Amino acid sequence: AQSVSQHNHHVILSEAASLELGCNYSYGGTVNLFWYVQYPGQHLQLLLKYFSGDPLVKGIKGFEAEFIKSKFSFNLRKPSVQWSDTAEYFCAVTFYGNNRLAFGKGNQVVVIP
Amino acid sequence: EPEVTQTPSHQVTQMGQEVILRCVPISNHLYFYWYRQILGQKVEFLVSFYNNEISEKSEIFDDQFSVERPDGSNFTLKIRSTKLEDSAMYFCASRRNRDISYEQYFGPGTRLTVT
Repeated sequence: AQSVSQHNHHVILSEAASLELGCNYSYGGTVNLFWYVQYPGQHLQLLLKYFSGDPLVKGIKGFEAEFIKSKFSFNLRKPSVQWSDTAEYFCAVTFYGNNRLAFGKGNQVVVIP
Repeated sequence: EPEVTQTPSHQVTQMGQEVILRCVPISNHLYFYWYRQILGQKVEFLVSFYNNEISEKSEIFDDQFSVERPDGSNFTLKIRSTKLEDSAMYFCASRRNRDISYEQYFGPGTRLTVT
């Protein structure tokens, strides 16, 4: 079955530390990949997306993600986090032929000043 | 910047009652969605709606659920006879058109509590 997995659901780190969140999916066909973020009290908003082309995509607020097709992965990274990056991060995928988003379980990230 | 809005922010209802959750998608968007997130679980797709009809639905979206676009601005999700397991956060989303390269914009959610 098509699915999306995220690990390390709770991440605590200090400001200026680097962040990497893993996302894996199970599907052998064409996918479109997204990372959404939900800041406390706010709605889900798009950080970045990948459809085709350069597998390294850059998003808002200094985030980037790399699509590695052979590993079925789309990991999110930020070299130096700030307190304002405290949020929940969701990986989401659309599988070929569908326009629904399939979400991972999310990563709750807390950045300590 | 235009936003998707949802009302109410929190709804408490008794088991067996009907509830209607309301959403106002972004005005020039054509594709509409409902998702839900049960506490501690993944955000799950329920249904998508385009051109005044359901375009896709999940196995969760059974006969107890229905969607409607009663006018040019609102998009509603109705649950006919709520169950305890319907307690969740319900998110509405909209997208500009059929092209999946356009992102889905999410509303803030309605927390539904069934007692």
